[in-house]
Amino acid sequence: QSVLTQPPSVSGAPGQKVTISCTGSSSNIGAAYEVHWYQQVPGTAPKLLIYANNNRPSGVPDRFSGSRSGTSASLAISGLQAEDEADYYCQSYDSSLIVVFGGGTKLTVL
Amino acid sequence: EVQLVESGGDLVKPGRSLRLSCTASGFTFGDYAMSWFRQAPGKGLEWVGFIRSKPYGGTREYAASVQGRFTISRDDSKSIAYLQMNSLKTEDTAVYFCSITQYYDSSGEVYFQHWGQGTLVTVSS
Repeated sequence: QSVLTQPPSVSGAPGQKVTISCTGSSSNIGAAYEVHWYQQVPGTAPKLLIYANNNRPSGVPDRFSGSRSGTSASLAISGLQAEDEADYYCQSYDSSLIVVFGGGTKLTVL
Repeated sequence: EVQLVESGGDLVKPGRSLRLSCTASGFTFGDYAMSWFRQAPGKGLEWVGFIRSKPYGGTREYAASVQGRFTISRDDSKSIAYLQMNSLKTEDTAVYFCSITQYYDSSGEVYFQHWGQGTLVTVSS
């Protein structure tokens, strides 16, 4: 059972927009700690996608965006492409557990 | 180019020990905290622990699941981070990753900038 809750799966057709939610509590996201997102293509290493709620590292397309509100955060992917098919994880700081992750969301591009 | 290469993964029996290495290049190793993670087969990411850089005391934090059994250390002269794993259990079976860690001293928050490809640890009798 992960501390941060994500939907197990989402899907969308090429060109569409999908959103992945990440729900926490008052000891992590709700305490205004930053949320970060990672992309992992199965069999490969995770990659930082969004840091500090809504910032993209160099090289990450602007199709990816993040937001945070209250005890939740969201990752939005617009203009879906086949190469976006991967697992996505949210991560934050927790005042008791230090580092917490969501359980991951599998994105399928139809 | 930033590179992290994990090594040392192996098949070991329960109760035994194993040390993993994370060899870094392409950045100033001593300036960054370093973290270890693991991913059990078919499961999500689990943070194992991290070690702060020397300017921030070189101190460590661990997940409750490994506290007291696992120890992270670093050799800045060699640009290597280590994960010493003792009293291994079958549930420690996973791919272990290391990562460059961005650490905010003001809040204690961290996030993970670059990851290695991982090394497989299998604990089985």
